Amino acid sequence: GQQLNQSPQSMFIQEGEDVSMNCTSSSIFNTWLWYKQDPGEGPVLLIALYKAGELTSNGRLTAQFGITRKDSFLNISASIPSDVGIYFCAGQDNDYKLSFGAGTTVTVRA
Amino acid sequence: GAGVSQSPRYKVTKRGQDVALRCDPISGHVSLYWYRQALGQGPEFLTYFNYEAQQDKSGLPNDRFSAERPEGSISTLTIQRTEQRDSAMYRCASSDQGSSTEAFFGQGTRLTVV
Repeated sequence: GQQLNQSPQSMFIQEGEDVSMNCTSSSIFNTWLWYKQDPGEGPVLLIALYKAGELTSNGRLTAQFGITRKDSFLNISASIPSDVGIYFCAGQDNDYKLSFGAGTTVTVRA
Repeated sequence: GAGVSQSPRYKVTKRGQDVALRCDPISGHVSLYWYRQALGQGPEFLTYFNYEAQQDKSGLPNDRFSAERPEGSISTLTIQRTEQRDSAMYRCASSDQGSSTEAFFGQGTRLTVV
């Protein structure tokens, strides 16, 4: 399958801090997606990016789709305890198949 | 139902046994996807159904794995002669427009082969 490299693998952050994580691929994707997975739950879609260069916000979350269609970043501003979880990037190159990164585990220090 | 429902939530089986994992998609969703998620990894695509038709099974690891969706609703993923390397979280997702960007994931079935 397609390889998505997600970094960092894990991070400890202080409540109130801004957080940034990114994802790169050797292949081009038509759509980039960012998901959050809470313990015991399935991934939940946070942001979808459809156009190269697109910058999209969803509350405290901001994500951008790289110009080359091979990378994306996700920023979380003013982190709070409920931001704890695993964040996955995923690329979609056709109508149905998603390729996921290995995830970034976020732990917040209160 | 309100969300994608998978059963059982946990399954422990002995090597060599067959297992069947069930997925009940969101009512009315025509597309259904199976993914496998190893510990510390993201989900990996297994197979995709549109209504009852299995459109893509390229992600199934080998011929011990099969899936069906006979009436275009509930789907079953079957693993025959299980091996320890089959241990993982198996996730199902469904969507109503055939685009996985609109897909909702279930809580998964944690399979442990001992």
